[in-house]
Amino acid sequence: QSALTQPPSASGSPGQSVTISCTGTSSDVGGYNFVSWYQQHPGKAPKVMIYAVSKRPSGVPDRFSGSKSGNTASLTVSGLQAEDEAAYYCSSYAGGTYPQILFGGGTKLTVL
Amino acid sequence: QVQLVQSGGEVKKPGASLKVSCKASDYTFPSNGITWVRQDPGQGLEWMGWISTHSGNTNYAQKLNGRVTMTTDTSTSTTYMELRSLRSDDTAVYYCVSGSSGLDHAFDIWGQGTMVTVSS
Repeated sequence: QSALTQPPSASGSPGQSVTISCTGTSSDVGGYNFVSWYQQHPGKAPKVMIYAVSKRPSGVPDRFSGSKSGNTASLTVSGLQAEDEAAYYCSSYAGGTYPQILFGGGTKLTVL
Repeated sequence: QVQLVQSGGEVKKPGASLKVSCKASDYTFPSNGITWVRQDPGQGLEWMGWISTHSGNTNYAQKLNGRVTMTTDTSTSTTYMELRSLRSDDTAVYYCVSGSSGLDHAFDIWGQGTMVTVSS
């Protein structure tokens, strides 16, 4: 199975909202509620921001929200702050004969 | 929360084998097993496979074509990832990761990463 599809870049000004999409298939994003989103700053390990499509781990600001419609999941960052500038990766469980986790190619979010 | 501590960076020649270790800091494995993920320099993330730290059951990425083996030593709370027949495109940062209870197929526990360079 191919990686999930994300736009390579996104941007917004402080205080604005930005949405990043993640498109898969009915065998992964569309078939399971196991979509996660990770934030990665340069030189750091990724950090989970959203799991199970829309759940936030403890400590993640409620400015971060997730949703899914059909085979496309979305991450919305509201009230953009400078520290939100990072790479964001989506992932999804993919079932079938050979279950696996698929990742998106990543989206570089720039806060203008 | 348990921490995962990985072995240090390595430089390998093409065709060689690599073995990276991942030790749970408090001698307690996360309940969701250990997953290995790698990241090409400046590129995205790739799932390599998963091992149950209780049963030893494994599930590997088909893309690795049988070159990977994951094992666990419960006496030392250490998991190992071995990758054979290394190629230049295996150059990456390798992470062992896991999820806290309730985080199915998501990872909130990350090792510090192990940089592996494959070069002649």
